[in-house]
Amino acid sequence: GAVVSQHPSRVICKSGTSVKIECRSLDFQATTMFWYRQFPKQSLMLMATSNEGSKATYEQGVEKDKFLINHASLTLSTLTVTSAHPEDSSFYICSARGVDGETQYFGPGTRLLVL
Amino acid sequence: QQQVKQSPQSLIVQKGGISIINCAYENTAFDYFPWYQQFPGKGPALLIAIRPDVSEKKEGRFTISFNKSAKQFSLHIMDSQPGDSATYFCVGSGTYKYIFGTGTRLKVLA
Repeated sequence: GAVVSQHPSRVICKSGTSVKIECRSLDFQATTMFWYRQFPKQSLMLMATSNEGSKATYEQGVEKDKFLINHASLTLSTLTVTSAHPEDSSFYICSARGVDGETQYFGPGTRLLVL
Repeated sequence: QQQVKQSPQSLIVQKGGISIINCAYENTAFDYFPWYQQFPGKGPALLIAIRPDVSEKKEGRFTISFNKSAKQFSLHIMDSQPGDSATYFCVGSGTYKYIFGTGTRLKVLA
């Protein structure tokens, strides 16, 4: 149980284009999902907290107009990187808060490369 | 005050040995301390978790020791195996937000 999927697993795009990443909780409902970013050999950095049916809460320094988050259902949250640039290249990981209200279950991650 | 300090940064252990990773926190509002294991190119996977009202928790070869007064906790991996080679993250959680440690890269030699 508590499986989270992400799609796509890898994406390469041209600078200036937008990329959408999907995060799904497969066997449980998640009112809260989280989006993280991880650079090579570094820890996870929380970008935003996504609550179903309401606006996402962004961490300090994260541009909300660049990283659009939508949590339209209890099993799906999406992250759209708008007007992507090479510096946005990173490993993006989502998580969903489990039914215990505490534990986060992570997706497999999405590798984004912006050329 | 929000930081979780993790050490060592990297660790090499012989097969069958004990791997020990330490973490320290300052925020007394933290009330949940999970550990995650991450393989290259994958998302973190929950390994084991503890709450501050318990001093030790064991699941198979993995044990968390928790010292509330010192605000420290550690992960012990007994009988370490090459398949345990991964990056391990400790986490302090309070107000439902995770604060990750900096990570420990463990390599278990065959």
